[in-house]
Amino acid sequence: GAGVSQSPRYKVAKRGRDVALRCDSISGHVTLYWYRQTLGQGSEVLTYSQSDAQRDKSGRPSGRFSAERPERSVSTLKIQRTEQGDSAVYLCASSRSLGANTGELFFGEGSRLTVL
Amino acid sequence: EDKVVQSPLSLVVHEGDTVTLNCSYEVTNFRSLLWYKQEKKAPTFLFMLTSSGIEKKSGRLSSILDKKELFSILNITATQTGDSAIYLCAVEETSGSRLTFGEGTQLTVNP
Repeated sequence: GAGVSQSPRYKVAKRGRDVALRCDSISGHVTLYWYRQTLGQGSEVLTYSQSDAQRDKSGRPSGRFSAERPERSVSTLKIQRTEQGDSAVYLCASSRSLGANTGELFFGEGSRLTVL
Repeated sequence: EDKVVQSPLSLVVHEGDTVTLNCSYEVTNFRSLLWYKQEKKAPTFLFMLTSSGIEKKSGRLSSILDKKELFSILNITATQTGDSAIYLCAVEETSGSRLTFGEGTQLTVNP
C-alpha cells in the first residue's frame, strides 16, 4: 500500500516482558518518528531517526525505549521490561524530508499496547 | 524542556457554531508549528505555520501564528458534526527536528 502501516494493531503483554512493534513507512521517506498517545497525557515523541541511521536515539521516558531501522522504510520500536504505564497507542509517522518542514507527516494507524 | 499547551482540553458545541482552539508553546529553537486533526485513526495534517501574522486557510478552517507571544489559534467556522475530533498542535524545533505535541483538544459538535 501507499501509506504507513503498523503491526501488530493490538498487543497484550505481561508486565516485565519485552515488546517489539513494527512500522513500515513510505518508500523514499527519510525521517521516521515514534509517538506514544495516552489518555490525559497527549502525544509525546519517543524517538526518531533520519536518513539511514540504523539506530535511533532513545527518547523519553527512559532508555527502555529504542528503535532500530534495519531498512530505510522499516522501523522496530522495542520496549524493554514493560510497565503498566506503557499501555498506550504507539503511532509511527514518516516524512519525505528531514524534520517536518514539508508540513506533512504521514501517520500509521497505531499499535495499541496493553500491559497487564 | 520544550512544552506545548493546548486549550481547552475539551469543547462541546452545536452545529453552526464557531470555535477557536488555542496552542501556546515554549521551544528553544522554533522552526514550525503544525496542526493535525485526529479522528478514529491516524492524525491528518491541517496546517504548517512558520511566519507570524500570516493566516492559513482551508475551507472553514483557518490558523494563525504569533511568534512574539508564542501561540497559535485554529478557527473553525460553521462547525459540522464531521469536525468532531481531537485537534493536535505540534511544534518543531530546528536542532534534531524534534516534534513536541500538545495534549490535544477534544472537539465534539452536536447536531
